[in-house]
Amino acid sequence: GAVVSQHPSWVICKSGTSVKIECRSLDFQATTMFWYRQFPKQSLMLMATSNEGSKATYEQGVEKDKFLINHASLTLSTLTVTSAHPEDSSFYICSASRQGQWETQYFGPGTRLLVL
Amino acid sequence: GESVGLHLPTLSVQEGDNSIINCAYSNSASDYFIWYKQESGKGPQFIIDIRSNMDKRQGQRVTVLLNKTVKHLSLQIAATQPGDSAVYFCAEFSGGGADGLTFGKGTHLIIQP
Repeated sequence: GAVVSQHPSWVICKSGTSVKIECRSLDFQATTMFWYRQFPKQSLMLMATSNEGSKATYEQGVEKDKFLINHASLTLSTLTVTSAHPEDSSFYICSASRQGQWETQYFGPGTRLLVL
Repeated sequence: GESVGLHLPTLSVQEGDNSIINCAYSNSASDYFIWYKQESGKGPQFIIDIRSNMDKRQGQRVTVLLNKTVKHLSLQIAATQPGDSAVYFCAEFSGGGADGLTFGKGTHLIIQP
């Protein structure tokens, strides 16, 4: 149990386009999902926390208008990178947790984004 | 601890030897710590966790030690195997609510045959 998937696993896009990444909890209800970004040979950095049915909370320095997060159901959160630029190329990883169990986060396999 | 834009340190050990990976965390209010293993191109995989009211916890071939006085965490892997080659991250949780994890810098463990 507690499986999290991401789609797509990798994506290449042109500069200026928008890219949507999905994060799904397959066998449990995730009231909270977290989005992390990881640049090559670096650690994971929390971008934002999304709670089902409410607005996401963004970490300092993360542009909410550029990284749109939607958590419309208990099993799906989406991250849209708007007007992507080469510096947005990164590994985006989501995690999900059950209600009240925020410390226990189940991670997805990640999505590799390359912006040309 | 806080992650900064530095390249990952590397630890190289012989297959069969024990390895110790260290991590310094920054928030004295953190009360839950986790070690993750990340293989290339994959998401983090849970290895072992420990709460702040403990100083040692053992799993299968792995042991985590917590020293709150100096805010230090270590992961010991016994009898290392080729499959242990990966990047290892410590993470801390300090929130009372829906907070994300703060990841440490990470260590690249290489198992030499």
